[in-house]
Amino acid sequence: NAGVTQTPKFRVLKTGQSMTLLCAQDMNHEYMYWYRQDPGMGLRLIHYSVGEGTTAKGEVPDGYNVSRLKKQNFLLGLESAAPSQTSVYFCASSVDSGGNQPQHFGDGTRLSIL
Amino acid sequence: SQKIEQNSEALNIQEGKTATLTCNYTNYSPAYLQWYRQDPGRGPVFLLLIRENEKEKRKERLKVTFDTTLKQSLFHITASQPADSATYLCASYGNAGNMLTFGGGTRLMVKP
Repeated sequence: NAGVTQTPKFRVLKTGQSMTLLCAQDMNHEYMYWYRQDPGMGLRLIHYSVGEGTTAKGEVPDGYNVSRLKKQNFLLGLESAAPSQTSVYFCASSVDSGGNQPQHFGDGTRLSIL
Repeated sequence: SQKIEQNSEALNIQEGKTATLTCNYTNYSPAYLQWYRQDPGRGPVFLLLIRENEKEKRKERLKVTFDTTLKQSLFHITASQPADSATYLCASYGNAGNMLTFGGGTRLMVKP
């Protein structure tokens, strides 16, 4: 049972570089989410998707783009990385978005922007 | 604005005691509250969910309460063990219903 898998686990970028974080889930979940977690700020939603081919903005979407070309994959892109984007990024998935549906998380990508 | 908050200070308790963590929400009325556990270097793991019409929910040594009058949920771990040491997060959907909002988490340290 792989659940939610995130790649890479660690990455160091220079300011201005671009990169894509990959999230894959094998639970056939419709909903997928990208969060960032910073000390003292908790988990904040960046973007989410309610199904293949659809995406929507969360609480802190600026500087990020996402794509959901396949149901099992949700990609998070940084077009021009900034030091403020240094964070731990978590992907999650759920069957539905209702409050009675738990979210299943990956183990995160630790990203440092120099 | 809608807020969900947890005590940011770490909770240190002795093994065998009951740990009680607090989650408070303001300016909205969630229909459900969820609790997660997060270990260092890992993603959050779902533990329990409680509905607004349930006053209490139990799972093994875990107990969650939901007080809609106080706008508060309490998370209890009875007979705590060092292995229970982790950060515990509460979360709920707001009135918009499309985003799960998390509290900042409370770190629990259980000492042998």
